[in-house]
Amino acid sequence: GQQVMQIPQYQHVQEGEDFTTYCNSSTTLSNIQWYKQRPGGHPVFLIQLVKSGEVKKQKRLTFQFGEAKKNSSLHITATQTTDVGTYFCGPGNTPLVFGKGTRLSVIA
Amino acid sequence: DVKVTQSSRYLVKRTGEKVFLECVQDMDHENMFWYRQDPGLGLRLIYFSYDVKMKEKGDIPEGYSVSREKKERFSLILESASTNQTSMYLCASSFSNRGSYEQYFGPGTRLTVT
Repeated sequence: GQQVMQIPQYQHVQEGEDFTTYCNSSTTLSNIQWYKQRPGGHPVFLIQLVKSGEVKKQKRLTFQFGEAKKNSSLHITATQTTDVGTYFCGPGNTPLVFGKGTRLSVIA
Repeated sequence: DVKVTQSSRYLVKRTGEKVFLECVQDMDHENMFWYRQDPGLGLRLIYFSYDVKMKEKGDIPEGYSVSREKKERFSLILESASTNQTSMYLCASSFSNRGSYEQYFGPGTRLTVT
């Protein structure tokens, strides 16, 4: 199946700093999904991107899908301690095969 | 709200035991999935099912089998548990006839094989 690489694997930021995680594929994706997993919790769906160059916002979170539909990014503005967790991406077709995720730590 | 439940939150089994992990969803989803999650390895797909009595191997099916006799229930079976199967097991479900394929996850079962 389609594989995606996520970078960085870990990120530690001070509260209030911005954060970005990247999702890269060697093949063109039909769409991409993002999930968040809080420590001790289970993955929860955040968003799906479908169109080339698409940008979607959810409050302080901005999601982008590359023009070539081979990469995607999640940017968090002014991180808060509630943003702590692991962010996963994956091609949004069944079955969903996730990247290894980016674990975000926020230092208050 | 969609609810995906798993039979146990924590489970301790001995090497060689047969282990059943149960997953039930209440949203009439066609698709159901079993993943295991290990530190540094992310979420890896074990098996999935598109419909009752149908199953497909994922990336790491060795040592596991599945059963889907009813639409709402998907069972993961460890025929003879081994210590390398100690892990967090996550079940998920989704629709198959809508564009989103958003997956809903259960709370997970942390299995320890001693």
